[in-house]
Amino acid sequence: EPEVTQTPSHQVTQMGQEVILRCVPISNHLYFYWYRQILGQKVEFLVSFYNNEISEKSEIFDDQFSVERPDGSNFTLKIRSTKLEDSAMYFCASALRDSTDTQYFGPGTRLTVL
Amino acid sequence: AQTVTQSQPEMSVQEAETVTLSCTYDTSESDYYLFWYKQPPSRQMILVIRQEAYKQQNATENRFSVNFQKAAKSFSLKISDSQLGDAAMYFCAYRTLGGGSNYKLTFGKGTLLTVNP
Repeated sequence: EPEVTQTPSHQVTQMGQEVILRCVPISNHLYFYWYRQILGQKVEFLVSFYNNEISEKSEIFDDQFSVERPDGSNFTLKIRSTKLEDSAMYFCASALRDSTDTQYFGPGTRLTVL
Repeated sequence: AQTVTQSQPEMSVQEAETVTLSCTYDTSESDYYLFWYKQPPSRQMILVIRQEAYKQQNATENRFSVNFQKAAKSFSLKISDSQLGDAAMYFCAYRTLGGGSNYKLTFGKGTLLTVNP
């Protein structure tokens, strides 16, 4: 069964550094999402991406964040200058073309900012 | 904005017994989707079951079923014949039906389910 993959599984970085989290969505999916989960808290929506552009972003997704689909298979989340409060689990999700479809999640990347 | 509330931070059940996890939500929309996702210790989010609001029939998936009460805005998950592998954090989630190309999920805070042997 096809699945969403994410790399790395765990990323440790110093405050102020740039990080890129990578996701490979299910191949025929067209809707892509990033969510994050701070330890012990609920999963929060960050951004949705469709047709090579952001369709919605949350208030968390400020200028330090960006997303890109550079090559038609990868979907990346970049944090330009990490803060301690960016430490969280980041989940990528994808859904098929139809608006009725379910989002399938990747295993997540645990980001630790020191 | 939609909100999802899970009032039970933790629940426990004996193996082979039945447990019900509660979820309520608030929305002004008439058509939407509701989901239960499971997050085991491995942290991956796995879809358990989904319900379309326009369907009156409650969704079922093997040992998992929901009690969807649209008027009460309630969406509970029943797990029958609980197994040790059911131990996980369970999240209730809401998604709008339409609105262009954005279909973000709004999650509740989760219920941690423990299954006792």
